[in-house]
Amino acid sequence: GAVVSQHPSRVICKSGTSVKIECRSLDFQATTMFWYRQFPKQSLMLMATSNEGSKATYEQGVEKDKFLINHASLTLSTLTVTSAHPEDSSFYICSAPQERGGPETQYFGPGTRLLVL
Amino acid sequence: GQQLNQSPQSMFIQEGEDVSMNCTSSSIFNTWLWYKQDPGEGPVLLIALYKAGELTSNGRLTAQFGITRKDSFLNISASIPSDVGIYFCAGQRDSGYSTLTFGKGTMLLVSP
Repeated sequence: GAVVSQHPSRVICKSGTSVKIECRSLDFQATTMFWYRQFPKQSLMLMATSNEGSKATYEQGVEKDKFLINHASLTLSTLTVTSAHPEDSSFYICSAPQERGGPETQYFGPGTRLLVL
Repeated sequence: GQQLNQSPQSMFIQEGEDVSMNCTSSSIFNTWLWYKQDPGEGPVLLIALYKAGELTSNGRLTAQFGITRKDSFLNISASIPSDVGIYFCAGQRDSGYSTLTFGKGTMLLVSP
């Protein structure tokens, strides 16, 4: 069954507003979570690494003040897209490492479709 | 960021046919992962490979971790319509807590 959940599954917002996306690990603790962005017909691109109890690590080219990450607890990381613009419309996916009978492997959430009008 | 070279980009096959796709990298990875993504969904892990030379099966799927640690392939035998989707390879240098590098994906279409 699913090990990582995301909420909401899709969101439509007006340009200039902020949108919060939640990523939760189900029945396990995740001190680290990862946030990806995927544009249509493209692969997943890592945006940032979310660390419980410390600041997130952002990939080159990702604005930390625009994409705010808060790892609030051992089972929850949130990504807030601030002052969203149409070019921020994308599919946002989180992942968390978990051991399931072997070494830690990353399991992905179902994704959040963001449309900025 | 860096991406793996994944091929083919797309495949259109008949139900029952076998399929093979592969990924190559200029650098070494210590873990290779294969995911499948359906439209509007997150990637689902199919097979994880942790040792060079390892050959692992999951039902009709078989994947191998290249001996040089710079490549991996995924085979699907006797394809069925529900195999349709995008398949991604991903390399990981260290533990599950390190970042993934993804291939560009292989879109698989299966005709009944």
